[in-house]
Amino acid sequence: AQKITQTQPGMFVQEKEAVTLDCTYDTSDPSYGLFWYKQPSSGEMIFLIYQGSYDQQNATEGRYSLNFQKARKSANLVISASQLGDSAMYFCAMRERETSYDKVIFGPGTSLSVIP
Amino acid sequence: NAGVTQTPKFRVLKTGQSMTLLCAQDMNHEYMYWYRQDPGMGLRLIHYSVGEGTTAKGEVPDGYNVSRLKKQNFLLGLESAAPSQTSVYFCASSYSNGNTIYFGEGSWLTVV
Repeated sequence: AQKITQTQPGMFVQEKEAVTLDCTYDTSDPSYGLFWYKQPSSGEMIFLIYQGSYDQQNATEGRYSLNFQKARKSANLVISASQLGDSAMYFCAMRERETSYDKVIFGPGTSLSVIP
Repeated sequence: NAGVTQTPKFRVLKTGQSMTLLCAQDMNHEYMYWYRQDPGMGLRLIHYSVGEGTTAKGEVPDGYNVSRLKKQNFLLGLESAAPSQTSVYFCASSYSNGNTIYFGEGSWLTVV
């Protein structure tokens, strides 16, 4: 079973509009972390935002915010005021403890295209 | 400020050949990871390490071996390369409960 699901293979958004990228996860570890990464066409992995499972408030980093709904096991990324440079693949990832060690696994990603 | 460095960046192998990918980090991170990225499948965890001398299997470990003899280095080995191992390989590192995972630039491997 998929641990991390990103149901939107591709998304389009108009420049300057906000967009939400969906991520749902599955874990039995009570202490986990959630990440979002951006991968532009150049290939590098760029860290965007992190949310710990015990964090009381939703994480925010500039134009990025994470809509964390713990009971629904949902961690959607919201990008406000989209820019052309936001066009990229976006990956949701989760750190969880399995057996003795923490590991970090990724979802399949969402391709975002920003339209001028 | 090097961060996470992977070598080589590009490699073409013939089926059955062996090779080793080297990952080095200068941030004193305990955790290191090897992922492969294939179209439409995101990043899949191959193996990871939680400290010097300790490794664990990830989601797709078959056909790969790893070693972490020094804290700063994490090696990924392909003993007998297969075309199915054609992929982009990413190394990453982090603190044990870190809120950021740092990635290398990726290594493009083609097996013909």
